[in-house]
Amino acid sequence: DIQMTQSPSSLSASVGDRVTITCRASQAIGTFLNWYQQTPGKAPNLLIHSASTLQSGVPSRFSGNGFGTDFSLIISSLQPEDFATYYCQQSLHIPWTFGQGTKVEIK
Amino acid sequence: EVQLLESGGGLVQPGGSLRLSCTASGFTFGSYAMSWVRQGPGKGLEWVSAISGSGGATYYADSVKGRFTISRDNSESTFYLQMNSLRVDDTAVYYCAKDLGFGGNGAGFGMDVWGQGTTVTVSS
Repeated sequence: DIQMTQSPSSLSASVGDRVTITCRASQAIGTFLNWYQQTPGKAPNLLIHSASTLQSGVPSRFSGNGFGTDFSLIISSLQPEDFATYYCQQSLHIPWTFGQGTKVEIK
Repeated sequence: EVQLLESGGGLVQPGGSLRLSCTASGFTFGSYAMSWVRQGPGKGLEWVSAISGSGGATYYADSVKGRFTISRDNSESTFYLQMNSLRVDDTAVYYCAKDLGFGGNGAGFGMDVWGQGTTVTVSS
């Protein structure tokens, strides 16, 4: 199975900050990398698919990049509604696997 | 509006069975692969199973292989997860999800629509 490792596991940031979350795959996955946002008690929400394609309706302050084994999710200017947990997921090989999550908290 | 609605969760004893259902609306159901993803209490996300649009291909996580069966009825826009031989560590919120796209050999492009989740508790 492909292991996905996110860093950091949690971070504290202020409204307006630029935030970067990284995700590393245990083997190359091309651009088969997706990012989700989840708030407590709610289902995950797809933010970015195929490493860098913004999902319809997602604000442009979210962006993604990377190829192969190393990927990043960037929030250019953190907004109050962005405080949540973020997960990366590889979708190249079954079983699809998720990172352990990164919790973004208010500083 | 594109929507997924789950049902079937509940409390079951170890070794028991449950069947989850997920009914879709707002899109051409048979054109899309569908998945189940679960989240244990206080834990991260775990992909469980997926089924192709036609139902001809099914995929499972090792943790559920041989115990869970995914199926679909395109005439009813509904897919299912039959869960047998349930264990305490199957306790989780189970989400159904629509796959954005599904390539060959099990490659996908993320899950763009999710249900609200249904809780499965396995306990004696």
